[in-house]
Parts: sequence; C-alpha cells; structure tokens
Amino acid sequence: DAGVTQSPTHLIKTRGQQVTLRCSPKSGHDTVSWYQQALGQGPQFIFQYYEEEERQRGNFPDRFSGHQFPNYSSELNVNALLLGDSALYLCASSLAGSSYNEQFFGPGTRLTVL
Amino acid sequence: QKEVEQDPGPLSVPEGAIVSLNCTYSNSAFQYFMWYRQYSRKGPELLMYTYSSGNKEDGRFTAQVDKSSKYISLFIRDSQPSDSATYLCAMSAIRDDKIIFGKGTRLHILP
Repeated sequence: DAGVTQSPTHLIKTRGQQVTLRCSPKSGHDTVSWYQQALGQGPQFIFQYYEEEERQRGNFPDRFSGHQFPNYSSELNVNALLLGDSALYLCASSLAGSSYNEQFFGPGTRLTVL
Repeated sequence: QKEVEQDPGPLSVPEGAIVSLNCTYSNSAFQYFMWYRQYSRKGPELLMYTYSSGNKEDGRFTAQVDKSSKYISLFIRDSQPSDSATYLCAMSAIRDDKIIFGKGTRLHILP
C-alpha cells in the first residue's frame, strides 16, 4: 500500500520564479492538505482540497494556489517566489468524513529560493 | 500569544529514561490532540491521538490531555536511541480541516 508520495524531492529556484509541487495521496484517500514547514518550526496549514475544490485556506497570500485532479492527486503552485518561501512543503492526505482529523504526511519537497 | 506553545529543546536524556514532552494551547475549541514524530529530512509520522480529555497508552507511549489546564503531554518509557527525533504536538477543532502544530521538541536519547 503506497503512502503519500511527493515530487520533486528537492528544488532550487530564484526570486520571482514560479514553482509547481506535486502530491499523490495514500490509496483510498480523497482529501489533500498542504503545509509549509520552515526550518526549526512546525508545519503551517496552507490549504486543503476535496472534490477538486479548495475547502479551507490558512493565512497564506494568493501567490499560493493549488489544484486537485479527478484521481485525487494535487499540485501546489507558488508564484513570484520570495526568499522567505524557502521551506519544506508537506502534503498530507486523509479520508473525508473519518472520525477524527487523521492526516498522513508525505516526505515533503524541500524548496530553496536564492 | 501563539495558539500552541512547545519548548523546542533540545532535550537530551540517557537511554532507558522516561521522557516527558508537553505543550500548552490557548484555543478551547481544540478537541483532537495528536503527537507526531519527525526524523530529520522526513515527513511527520502520527504517533498518538486523543479525543478530548484523558489518557491513551500505546506500547511505550502514553498521551495525556488536560483540557481544564489546556495542557497535553507525551511520555516515552524505556527510551531508545531510535526515539531520537523531533516530536510535534498538534491539535484541531471538530469540523475544522486544518491541524495546528507546535514548533516541535528535538529529543536526543544518549546510548
């Protein structure tokens, strides 16, 4: 049973560029959440996708956008990259309607902005 | 005041000792309480979850929630070097999709 997978593993970009990160949820899961984890900090919620729509959003600017595909996989797009966007980006999958908010995390994509 | 406060450590204890990790929080709407373990350069892995107040035990791990004090704890018995990792407390409210994390406590178990 494959867990949550993310690609790429590492990415280096320069300020002002755009980036797309990808996530495939755990088998049987239909909901994908994205988190940003800066060095030495806990993950911060960016947004969640369910039924191909953004269901909830954290305190992140519109430069952060996403998409969910019919097969439940998801993309995170970040435009006009800033140095402060350097972080580990985590994808978590879950099953809508489960008894508690259990989210399974992928290994993350480490983004470095120069 | 941050919603979830957690001492970042590092915390170093000898192998076999009992480890106590804890977090405080301010949002009384939190009902689900979780502990995640994160090894270096890996994603967080769910260790324990508790709904509302009370204790939960799973092998060497015990999670405690005291909602009256807004305080949660994770105890690790007979600690092993393989327990060395960052431990993140996390919480969410009912019908809220986002999980709020603490900063994480770096734990080192010394052989």
